[in-house]
Amino acid sequence: AQSVTQLDSHVSVSEGTPVLLRCNYSSSYSPSLFWYVQHPNKGLQLLLKYTSAATLVKGINGFEAEFKKSETSFHLTKPSAHMSDAAEYFCVVRDSQYSSASKIIFGSGTRLSIRP
Amino acid sequence: DTAVSQTPKYLVTQMGNDKSIKCEQNLGHDTMYWYKQDSKKFLKIMFSYNNKELIINETVPNRFSPKSPDKAHLNLHINSLELGDSAVYFCASSPQDRGSGEQYFGPGTRLTVT
Repeated sequence: AQSVTQLDSHVSVSEGTPVLLRCNYSSSYSPSLFWYVQHPNKGLQLLLKYTSAATLVKGINGFEAEFKKSETSFHLTKPSAHMSDAAEYFCVVRDSQYSSASKIIFGSGTRLSIRP
Repeated sequence: DTAVSQTPKYLVTQMGNDKSIKCEQNLGHDTMYWYKQDSKKFLKIMFSYNNKELIINETVPNRFSPKSPDKAHLNLHINSLELGDSAVYFCASSPQDRGSGEQYFGPGTRLTVT
């Protein structure tokens, strides 16, 4: 069985400071892992993905995430937060990257707030 | 040039009515999905179609029926609407067998049942 846990429901940082959004997963097989961002009243947009290539994954808008198999983690980071980063962030695990029928599990989301 | 589009964006209706939400993607993807997002932002997959064939059907009341007339369209019909159906419904698509499995989401349809 697979699962994903976002450890913080809400994170608040000051503009210009680093961002860390934490995600732990469990998976029976080699997982594909994703981070999506959802701005208010919008659909979800892919930030980055891990699919068994490089463990440090760079995404859009300066975000990156590191896949750590030993810790079963896929935390999302950004060196310097911008006001426009305020949004809901979802960590997603997918067991089989080749099967369209693979289970797709969304985390419960982390709301990121940016203080001026 | 919208990749995944949904109509309508907002839908307000009364209990007991039947309604449909339409989804279209112009990305040439083989796989499409419906998700329900509740008021706490929790996302749950409802259905997945691959090239017009149903491949994921989660525990969803049979009042919900997806229809895929072709691989670019996946519509969601809901019968006998209930208050608990109020949510935001997202359509998504993804390429098949590309190894990445990322999804492209539509803007959502906010359904309010009164």
